[in-house]
Amino acid sequence: DAGVIQSPRHEVTEMGQEVTLRCKPISGHDYLFWYRQTMMRGLELLIYFNNNVPIDDSGMPEDRFSAKMPNASFSTLKIQPSEPRDSAVYFCASRWQGEYNEQFFGPGTRLTVL
Amino acid sequence: AQTVTQSQPEMSVQEAETVTLSCTYDTSESDYYLFWYKQPPSRQMILVIRQEAYKQQNATENRFSVNFQKAAKSFSLKISDSQLGDAAMYFCAYRSADSNSGYALNFGKGTSLLVTP
Repeated sequence: DAGVIQSPRHEVTEMGQEVTLRCKPISGHDYLFWYRQTMMRGLELLIYFNNNVPIDDSGMPEDRFSAKMPNASFSTLKIQPSEPRDSAVYFCASRWQGEYNEQFFGPGTRLTVL
Repeated sequence: AQTVTQSQPEMSVQEAETVTLSCTYDTSESDYYLFWYKQPPSRQMILVIRQEAYKQQNATENRFSVNFQKAAKSFSLKISDSQLGDAAMYFCAYRSADSNSGYALNFGKGTSLLVTP
């Protein structure tokens, strides 16, 4: 298996532009997570899905952020409009159902908003 | 909500020596999991070791071991025979055993480990 795939690996954009980050989870995994990593706040959960349904989006910072999972093999995190404070590394992770199973992380997308 | 605290922003160790990274957490749950993740400059999050709260025995993975003190809510990572490749950010993480949590990870702020020759 190729693991969790994220694209792009790096994104540089200007303030006010729309940004879309993409994630392909490991095949068969039931849960998908989006995390954000910044120097100030560390790694924080933004949202997670179970069987393609958003369960907890309380970590989404504001309405400019939205996430979707149209099918079991694809998820997007969109920021519109983007702001410089959104600059961070965004990780996607997935796991199987069940208490014991491990969470697998993608390589992350480094977003820079100028 | 559970909080995870790593009080050492940076640590340094000489090659072949032993180093211990500290982590404390706060929870009212009795059943949970604790993890140490390694993040090298490549950014990839790598699972180093995990501990189930219901297990009294401390987890061990080769040169990596933990000291899990449930009553004290402490979970430290010991790296023996440190190698240059161990240099990285290390994150302590908590996960509830309750399915209502979605099994999301709650991370500490991390400890940057420098390994000197």
